[in-house]
Amino acid sequence: DTAVSQTPKYLVTQMGNDKSIKCEQNLGHDTMYWYKQDSKKFLKIMFSYNNKELIINETVPNRFSPKSPDKAHLNLHINSLELGDSAVYFCASSQGTGPFGYTFGSGTRLTVV
Amino acid sequence: QQQVKQSPQSLIVQKGGISIINCAYENTAFDYFPWYQQFPGKGPALLIAIRPDVSEKKEGRFTISFNKSAKQFSLHIMDSQPGDSATYFCAATEHKLSFGAGTTVTVRA
Repeated sequence: DTAVSQTPKYLVTQMGNDKSIKCEQNLGHDTMYWYKQDSKKFLKIMFSYNNKELIINETVPNRFSPKSPDKAHLNLHINSLELGDSAVYFCASSQGTGPFGYTFGSGTRLTVV
Repeated sequence: QQQVKQSPQSLIVQKGGISIINCAYENTAFDYFPWYQQFPGKGPALLIAIRPDVSEKKEGRFTISFNKSAKQFSLHIMDSQPGDSATYFCAATEHKLSFGAGTTVTVRA
């Protein structure tokens, strides 16, 4: 199936731990994104990569570090997790940075306890 | 700061009724206005989209109306069905996708 897939779907961890979320797309898109959806369902962009190059880095704590080994993969590593990091994280991809629709993954629900 | 303002926060409609969701923006550089539908536990999925040189776009029961001078656009869901119950997000693009706050639509059978 052509899609954006992210793993894991659920992640429960303790404060202070380090965790990673992986994302892969097989749509042939050259731009990938990480979005955070908070408890009120608001979706906010965190990062964007175009052909492995970081092009958008919103005001996100340095504890969050994206990595794109190739244009089909975009991973998110989070250091020293805090309670406020609890949210659903969505990976997405698009064909270019212009006026195109984004395809989203099914999300990773991160709960920090 | 939210670049796209969306209302209402939630709405309830009877089966067969019309659901209307409104959005407004300020940034005239936005060049693409999509709507996304999200079901619980799923990611947002592109529903319908419009470019600013078009005033209306219809796909099945879903219609976008776009008013460039007023910087407003809206989604109309005709003949609403229980399966349409979801959260709907308007969005706008200028190099990145900025979302409205979402509208939870409940269609009562």
